[in-house]
Amino acid sequence: GENVEQHPSTLSVQEGDSAVIKCTYSDSASNYFPWYKQELGKGPQLIIDIRSNVGEKKDQRIAVTLNKTAKHFSLHITETQPEDSAVYFCAASRVLSNQFYFGTGTSLTVIP
Amino acid sequence: EPEVTQTPSHQVTQMGQEVILRCVPISNHLYFYWYRQILGQKVEFLVSFYNNEISEKSEIFDDQFSVERPDGSNFTLKIRSTKLEDSAMYFCASSADRGPGTEAFFGQGTRLTVV
Repeated sequence: GENVEQHPSTLSVQEGDSAVIKCTYSDSASNYFPWYKQELGKGPQLIIDIRSNVGEKKDQRIAVTLNKTAKHFSLHITETQPEDSAVYFCAASRVLSNQFYFGTGTSLTVIP
Repeated sequence: EPEVTQTPSHQVTQMGQEVILRCVPISNHLYFYWYRQILGQKVEFLVSFYNNEISEKSEIFDDQFSVERPDGSNFTLKIRSTKLEDSAMYFCASSADRGPGTEAFFGQGTRLTVV
């Protein structure tokens, strides 16, 4: 089955700096890669996603890149703000499946 | 904004007891899921449910687990005889469709503690 690895497990950045979280996956059949943000006491919330036919996607301060050949994808947050502090999860899934395989999560702390 | 709600937020049960975790998915969604996260580990898929039957399940979802949509709004996960290793955060999710690009909305989770 699919195996998604995520690093780093913790990340601290100064407000205004950029944060990068990286994930790798093992199953070449995976073609959908969502990123979730989980704040304390809440469930994971989708913040951005990318499909395998796209190499990069951007939404304001958040961007995701995908390298299908190397089987890795990354989340980039620019101009970080304290409210970006949360746990971020990457995930992967296959065609016609909503079975997501999650990474282990990255706890991001943005220091004011 | 519509949301997935789960009850209770925290459940403590004795080993061997049955527990039912409850979820109210978003009203017009058709696909429902249960995931769990053991402390310090990955979020793991348990089961997906569509049209009143299981569509996918993982190897974790053995005979001790069952799911049900008893009415038009609730979606439940039952663990028949809980074990210590069932202690985890259980997340319910729902989506309007399936396949890549379909957003799954997660509830806030139920923390199950088996003692």
